[in-house]
Amino acid sequence: QQQVKQSPQSLIVQKGGIPIINCAYENTAFDYFPWYQQFPGKGPALLIAIRPDVSEKKEGRFTISFNKSAKQFSLHIMDSQPGDSATYFCAVKASGSRLTFGEGTQLTVNP
Amino acid sequence: DADVTQTPRNRITKTGKRIMLECSQTKGHDRMYWYRQDPGLGLRLIYYSFDVKDINKGEISDGYSVSRQAQAKFSLSLESAIPNQTALYFCATSDPGQGFGYTFGSGTRLTVV
Repeated sequence: QQQVKQSPQSLIVQKGGIPIINCAYENTAFDYFPWYQQFPGKGPALLIAIRPDVSEKKEGRFTISFNKSAKQFSLHIMDSQPGDSATYFCAVKASGSRLTFGEGTQLTVNP
Repeated sequence: DADVTQTPRNRITKTGKRIMLECSQTKGHDRMYWYRQDPGLGLRLIYYSFDVKDINKGEISDGYSVSRQAQAKFSLSLESAIPNQTALYFCATSDPGQGFGYTFGSGTRLTVV
């Protein structure tokens, strides 16, 4: 079954813009909500993660916003740069289990 | 050396052939995974192993098999390749103490013709 749905599939912004990528999940038993970043020719790499008892987490220009009641979480990239152009995956993890990934969002940041 | 090494990086094979993708890791982690990436479908789990004696099916295991030869080695086999198995395949490993932080290899691009 589809445990996490990600949108949009692709996103184009100008340098300095704030792209927002959204994910919605179906199960309330998840204990971590990570985001991964993937550059062409590379495997995904962990970017940032949040626990469900926290509503927001910032690491540099990357912020996760978490809405437990709506079962949604999103990634915001402040002051986006061309080097942020990549594919982004949200994921969910249940305790003792493995990650389930969203469909991915291909982000392009134009100079 | 990379923490997770996948071989080969690229492979073209014919329908019906048996092919093995190999993965080795130097992280010292017990948990290893095989994922398949397709455009618009994200990363889908094929098989995973939480230790050398543990093998579990993921959401799309049909047509695939795995072997965990050692803590550091986890191989994925396609017994009889078919064109819809053309995809990018990733191996990953994780530390059970931080279950959401996976380390991925650079992938194997497989084309079945």
